[in-house]
This record gives sequence, C-alpha cells and structure tokens, in this order.
Amino acid sequence: GQQLNQSPQSMFIQEGEDVSMNCTSSSIFNTWLWYKQEPGEGPVLLIALYKAGELTSNGRLTAQFGITRKDSFLNISASIPSDVGIYFCAGRRTGANSKLTFGKGITLSVRP
Amino acid sequence: DGGITQSPKYLFRKEGQNVTLSCEQNLNHDAMYWYRQDPGQGLRLIYYSQIVNDFQKGDIAEGYSVSREKKESFPLTVTSAQKNPTAFYLCASSGTSGEIYNEQFFGPGTRLTVL
Repeated sequence: GQQLNQSPQSMFIQEGEDVSMNCTSSSIFNTWLWYKQEPGEGPVLLIALYKAGELTSNGRLTAQFGITRKDSFLNISASIPSDVGIYFCAGRRTGANSKLTFGKGITLSVRP
Repeated sequence: DGGITQSPKYLFRKEGQNVTLSCEQNLNHDAMYWYRQDPGQGLRLIYYSQIVNDFQKGDIAEGYSVSREKKESFPLTVTSAQKNPTAFYLCASSGTSGEIYNEQFFGPGTRLTVL
C-alpha cells in the first residue's frame, strides 16, 4: 500500500533547539495525524488535523495541515531530552473508510 | 481508565507453532486494527474490523488470522504459514463516525520472537 514520505530517517538536535519535520504524499489526504512512539511502546497520538491550512498546538508541539492537502508539518519548540522517540505521520484519504496510511517515521535524538 | 491492553508483552514461539496475541479495549470503539512493525519501517496493516463478526484483510494478511466475536476483543493468530513472524505487533482501535473516527489509539504492543 501507499506510504507517506518522511525524511530524513533520523535527526539529531541539541536540547533547547526547535525542530521541524514534514510528511508528504502524491495523493490528497483529508486527515493528518502525528504520533510519537517511545522504545518498546505503542504510538501515542499527539495532534490531529482535519482542515487544509489548519494549525494546531499541543504544548510545545505545533502541526499544520498543508494547503495542498498533500503534506503536513510538525514543529517541536525548545526541545527537551524526553522528546526523543520516533515521530510518525499518518493520513486518511477520502473514501478510505477508517484505514490510515503511515509514514516510516523519523527518529529524534536530543543531546543534553 | 479507558484504554487498550495487549498481552503478553513478550512472546517466544518455536518454528511451526501457531500463537495468538490478545487485544482488548474498553473505549467502546467499533473498529479495531492489527499492525506489524519491523525496525526502520512504518506500520503495516495486517487485518482490521469495523464491526463485530466482520473483518477485512489489510496489506500483509498472509499467514495471519483474526476473529471479532466481541466488540471489546480482536485476537490475532500468527500461524506457521507466516514466513517471518518475528516482529513488534500493535493493536489499535477507533470510532467509525465523525471526525474522531480517524483517530486510532494504540495498545502497548507485543514483541514476538520465533526461536
């Protein structure tokens, strides 16, 4: 099945820095979701986006639903060590019932 | 507290044996899903069910089977026909109407190792 594109596979930042990630597709999506997964655990939903252009925040996290409906962005501000983990984007296409398409994830490392 | 439970957390199986992974949710969600995760890979959908007594194959259903006899439960059987079963298995659930039905909530996962 189709996957969403997330790159690079890994990112390394210094504590206190901001970091941005994006997720792209060749198809239009009507929902974008961002998840965080810590080692050995299931993904946890961070932010859900439902309208093109929508900008939503959750604490230090901000995500945007791209105007073209083919991409989404996640920004983490003032990173802290507990931000480490794998960040997945997921999307739902029109008519795809409840199935989600997932990106391969970006592993974030934060140096103290 | 509402949530999704998966058991066991770690499972070891000998080649040629079937094994069943448990998934239970008390979120009153109609839909449930099973995903497989391999290192460096995204989540690949094995099976999903949108209502009791009905389920559909996902992208990698070969070698797996499921049942949905109760709303709360969606067990996954990894059969001996699955060629490479060692992986991390994740169960999820969601509603089936309204915007929030897009939001899938995951259990803690089961790591299956075939010896």
